[in-house]
Amino acid sequence: QLQLQESGPGLVEPSETLSLTCTVSGGSISNSSYYWAWIRQPPGKGLEWIGSIYHIGRTYYNPSLKSRVTISVDTSKNHFSLKLSSVTAADTAVYYCARLRGSRFDPWGQGTLVTVSS
Amino acid sequence: QSALTQPPSASGSPGQSVTISCTGTSRDVGGYNYVSWYQQHPGKAPQVMIYEVSKRPSGVPDRFSGSKSGNTASLTVSGLQAEDEADYYCSSYAGSNNLVFGGGTKLTVL
Repeated sequence: QLQLQESGPGLVEPSETLSLTCTVSGGSISNSSYYWAWIRQPPGKGLEWIGSIYHIGRTYYNPSLKSRVTISVDTSKNHFSLKLSSVTAADTAVYYCARLRGSRFDPWGQGTLVTVSS
Repeated sequence: QSALTQPPSASGSPGQSVTISCTGTSRDVGGYNYVSWYQQHPGKAPQVMIYEVSKRPSGVPDRFSGSKSGNTASLTVSGLQAEDEADYYCSSYAGSNNLVFGGGTKLTVL
């Protein structure tokens, strides 16, 4: 059974770079049938797609975040990563990773809360 | 790209049916048959309930169904049960490998 697990600092200072990793287990991130994605959810608010990546490194980003986002993949470690630069309090959210199967996100990681604060 | 529009709340009594709408534009919902619906219980990760407008993943009860007309997609939950109380989000492919979510609907089982 495929499982995803987010990891990274839970607290980031304003103007710094948020960095998270999603480790995939129970399946290969190099499976050509899927993309891999990051989604976030500010406390009490809705979901926002951040971006997606294919195992060969092809990326697609939400236009509203594109200037600050970098998603990368490491097939040797079966994980993919998110970097979000110049963060502000508005970037405080639960960050989820998920497999993108066609146009649906399935399954999801459990999510990790990242707070932007000094 | 703008978020898809969902009603903030919906409700129904056990056994009843409730329908949640998701309105977009011809550039997302109306332009592709790639609408998904997610259920999210408090403190949990979302789970896909419907994909490609009306398809149900294995394990999802057939009480959940999806449809689309023009720029509006709908999720119908029939035979409401207490465990259906959750937040529901729609998402759609929006062209150029972009995806967009709706604002979410809180479903209350009365």
